[in-house]
Amino acid sequence: EAGVVQSPRYKIIEKKQPVAFWCNPISGHNTLYWYLQNLGQGPELLIRYENEEAVDDSQLPKDRFSAERLKGVDSTLKIQPAELGDSAVYLCASSSGTGELFFGEGSRLTVL
Amino acid sequence: DQQVKQNSPSLSVQEGRISILNCDYTNSMFDYFLWYKKYPAEGPTFLISISSIKDKNEDGRFTVFLNKSAKHLSLHIVPSQPGDSAVYFCAASSVGSQGNLIFGKGTKLSVKP
Repeated sequence: EAGVVQSPRYKIIEKKQPVAFWCNPISGHNTLYWYLQNLGQGPELLIRYENEEAVDDSQLPKDRFSAERLKGVDSTLKIQPAELGDSAVYLCASSSGTGELFFGEGSRLTVL
Repeated sequence: DQQVKQNSPSLSVQEGRISILNCDYTNSMFDYFLWYKKYPAEGPTFLISISSIKDKNEDGRFTVFLNKSAKHLSLHIVPSQPGDSAVYFCAASSVGSQGNLIFGKGTKLSVKP
């Protein structure tokens, strides 16, 4: 069974540029999460989807961050414009509702 | 305000000995706890979990203990192996959070041969 797939693995951009991250969850997992992990910290939830509906986006900075999961499968997280403080690892996870989350390898963003 | 706390940023243990990683939480609504293991440049991988109705769960070399009255859980690894060297995250969720996990900052375990 394929795991959670994320791309790109690494991205370096200059501040004020846009960036997008893509995630394909484990097949059959209806719940998809985007987490942010800063250096030396644990992952922090940005947004959770149940199928195509964003059911918890309270921690998503909506002035510059957006996300979509149009067909209830893969998802895209976008930042526009990026700021220096956005440098972090963006983790995607999926779940079948058992309480256990399966994470992808993450997308490491560096903003110069 | 951190709801899940891992107060030891690092731990060094000799191969073959026991590793004990600790985690404290403040939210009494948490009812499900998990440990994740993370290698560099990889995503966290699930290790073991425990429901609040239990006080112990064991899986091979890994055992998680839960003390609800103290709001404390610990992960025991016996015997420790060099391949166990990684960052370990404690995470918690509650029924009302619909599976949203709250993570601690992690403890870096180094197992020396």
